[in-house]
Amino acid sequence: DAGVTQSPTHLIKTRGQQVTLRCSPKSGHDTVSWYQQALGQGPQFIFQYYEEEERQRGNFPDRFSGHQFPNYSSELNVNALLLGDSALYLCASSRSPSGANVLTFGAGSRLTVL
Amino acid sequence: AQSVTQLGSHVSVSEGALVLLRCNYSSSVPPYLFWYVQYPNQGLQLLLKYTSAATLVKGINGFEAEFKKSETSFHLTKPSAHMRDAAEYFCAVSAYNNNDMRFGAGTRLTVKP
Repeated sequence: DAGVTQSPTHLIKTRGQQVTLRCSPKSGHDTVSWYQQALGQGPQFIFQYYEEEERQRGNFPDRFSGHQFPNYSSELNVNALLLGDSALYLCASSRSPSGANVLTFGAGSRLTVL
Repeated sequence: AQSVTQLGSHVSVSEGALVLLRCNYSSSVPPYLFWYVQYPNQGLQLLLKYTSAATLVKGINGFEAEFKKSETSFHLTKPSAHMRDAAEYFCAVSAYNNNDMRFGAGTRLTVKP
């Protein structure tokens, strides 16, 4: 049973460019959350998608946007990249957005902005 | 809004010694609390969770945590450290109605031989 899969695993961009990261949730999961983890820090909540809609959003600018597809997979888009966007981007899935439901994490996509 | 604070960014213990990683939470509603572990170049793996059942929660790899409402704490312990326990540990909190978890800054555990 595949867990959460993310692609690409590593990528390098330059300032001002745009990036799209992809996530396939664990089988049976319908909720996807995205986190940004800067080097040496804890994951910061970006947003959560359920039923193809953004349900919750953390303190991130509108340059960060996302989408969820009917098969529950999700994309994270970041426009006008800044050096400070360099981080590990983690996707997590769960069986509904209920607070008691555990998040299952992927291995992440490491973005470097030059 | 809920949040957690992890006390101590680095903890070093000898192999076989007690492991104690500290976490305090702040929440306006009854929280759900979690501990995750992250090994280098990997995602986060769940160690244990508290969801208002027993206050002493047992997790994987011999770890356990105790929910103390009076102290707003959820400290992680393990009686005897192993070399393989060396990793980054994160405490996290979510509200009962939504699992948009909020994480602490993490504690790096080093185990000395």
